[in-house]
Amino acid sequence: GAGVSQTPSNKVTEKGKYVELRCDPISGHTALYWYRQSLGQGPEFLIYFQGTGAADDSGLPNDRFFAVRPEGSVSTLKIQRTERGDSAMYLCASSQMGSGELFFGEGSRLTVL
Amino acid sequence: QKEVEQNSGPLSVPEGAIASLNCTYSDRVSQSFFWYRQYSGKSPELIMSIYSNGDKEDGRFTAQLNKASQYVSLLIRDSQPSDSATYLCAVNRGDYKLSFGAGTTVTVRA
Repeated sequence: GAGVSQTPSNKVTEKGKYVELRCDPISGHTALYWYRQSLGQGPEFLIYFQGTGAADDSGLPNDRFFAVRPEGSVSTLKIQRTERGDSAMYLCASSQMGSGELFFGEGSRLTVL
Repeated sequence: QKEVEQNSGPLSVPEGAIASLNCTYSDRVSQSFFWYRQYSGKSPELIMSIYSNGDKEDGRFTAQLNKASQYVSLLIRDSQPSDSATYLCAVNRGDYKLSFGAGTTVTVRA
């Protein structure tokens, strides 16, 4: 597709459940990012992929969060044992390597009840 | 100290006026600077990038950078109701990672 695609757009789950959020970046973009945004705040960095490998996962809040990009294109953010504090908009972005100009998807809004 | 700081607003300007948004950053090694616009309920979209000291103009938008003062600004001339949004300042230290401010909400009054 022409832009970054994220699914689902909206996910409601119960505390303690497992969640997967998917991101399909712009074709040809080698860099892929996950950010999290809470209401009234700017996007907060979670993880960065260059190709298949996670070059920097320093923003992941704890070991319940994990992300993969097995073939260097689509990425999945995985959250285990969800907590109410995980509720936020999860944004995926892609870019040409090192450009700093990010193209965001429409986000996946996660609500943990 | 936050890496990137912005006045949260809201900033209310009449239609046709100039909206002025400010941003300061803490890391002197920062090399590239961006302004993103985010409409309510939507994702951020890049509107301006600036890499060297001075002004950069693109249509009704002008970005200004002063690395000595660690300061970036965005001017929106002839403000339109469609400019009503949150404007996010983002800073790159020369690696891959963008750090964002909390954003300034702008409301343009018709």
